Amino acid sequence: DSGVTQTPKHLITATGQRVTLRCSPRSGDLSVYWYQQSLDQGLQFLIQYYNGEERAKGNILERFSAQQFPDLHSELNLSSLELGDSALYFCASSVGASGGIQETQYFGPGTRLLVL
Amino acid sequence: AQSVTQPDIHITVSEGASLELRCNYSYGATPYLFWYVQSPGQGLQLLLKYFSGDTLVQGIKGFEAEFKRSQSSFNLRKPSVHWSDAAEYFCAVGAEEAAGNKLTFGGGTRVLVKP
Repeated sequence: DSGVTQTPKHLITATGQRVTLRCSPRSGDLSVYWYQQSLDQGLQFLIQYYNGEERAKGNILERFSAQQFPDLHSELNLSSLELGDSALYFCASSVGASGGIQETQYFGPGTRLLVL
Repeated sequence: AQSVTQPDIHITVSEGASLELRCNYSYGATPYLFWYVQSPGQGLQLLLKYFSGDTLVQGIKGFEAEFKRSQSSFNLRKPSVHWSDAAEYFCAVGAEEAAGNKLTFGGGTRVLVKP
């Protein structure tokens, strides 16, 4: 158990809908990262937040957005969902004292999203 | 931009045999390199990482990896595989950017362990 929790574990929805994925980082971790794992794209970095502020952006679609709240939990919002958005979405956290790449990222178990 | 290639999509190995997983990276600067393991239905767990210093890195669960700059490789090895090592393994390169940091993952290698 990494200490990172993600809810829900599974989500089934229809095209065009909007969903919110939630992540609670390890206690004391300031950085949160979101990744998408799909069959065709593999594991891709989406976005990083550090202490409430966006820190780095990867291949995140404009239909997707994220935020980190004062209690450090984070939400990933996916809107106008398409079939191709079906994937496993991981959240990871790190201590974030320096926000550096040398920090170990601890991954949650993921949320499996199925868009029908 | 950085990239990671794991040439082997699947590897089957007998229990007790040695295992080597290949990883090649492309990155302009000194790379930060990682190996993660993903067991079925689980998130990713860090096995080991390399930033600098000794090019042979020891990790958890008996794994080690060797950084070879001349070959742009960071191959993962285990001398004797256990059935519990059946999982998917991901190599990643990290980039520390001015505004944050990101990991770029390879496509993964799925390891099957035969009894």
